[in-house]
Amino acid sequence: QKEVEQDPGPLSVPEGAIVSLNCTYSNSAFQYFMWYRQYSRKGPELLMYTYSSGNKEDGRFTAQVDKSSKYISLFIRDSQPSDSATYLCAMSAGNQGGKLIFGQGTELSVKP
Amino acid sequence: DVKVTQSSRYLVKRTGEKVFLECVQDMDHENMFWYRQDPGLGLRLIYFSYDVKMKEKGDIPEGYSVSREKKERFSLILESASTNQTSMYLCASSLTGVSTEAFFGQGTRLTVV
Repeated sequence: QKEVEQDPGPLSVPEGAIVSLNCTYSNSAFQYFMWYRQYSRKGPELLMYTYSSGNKEDGRFTAQVDKSSKYISLFIRDSQPSDSATYLCAMSAGNQGGKLIFGQGTELSVKP
Repeated sequence: DVKVTQSSRYLVKRTGEKVFLECVQDMDHENMFWYRQDPGLGLRLIYFSYDVKMKEKGDIPEGYSVSREKKERFSLILESASTNQTSMYLCASSLTGVSTEAFFGQGTRLTVV
């Protein structure tokens, strides 16, 4: 079993839709949770960062962490074609200087 | 502007060749990482380094080695390239401290024929 599981998709939605991306994990030591966005032929870039449980909002993006269920989510409101990318969840226990464990990535396409 | 630069965007090598992938960061970061990215598998950690001349194995170190002689440079070495090492290779760096942001290079697409 992988430490982090993410539905690889692909996921296709119409412009303006609400998108929900999810990851589950098995390591209860994880405390730091991130979402990276990767455009085609580019390296990943940090999109959202959350410590422990709770919600974090940044514009159209909301990250949620439920440590009791070992489940994290990323919501995108009013999705735009420019949101088309691969979204990767990543997690860390915080005790190895930035070592991140990634999910498989979900490929998202937002159609105009 | 922070920058992680990988020496090549695309490489084609023959089976059995020794391959060097170079990565340079200009942010004075202590930590550097090499990942490979494959469809359906996500990013898997090959090796990482906390400091100059220090290295730690990641989840899939077999067939790879690394070198970090200077703080800003982290090299990935494929001792004898094989076709199953055809992949996208991503270098990243971060500051020491609990789970700070990792900055990635643009990736090297390696094809072994």
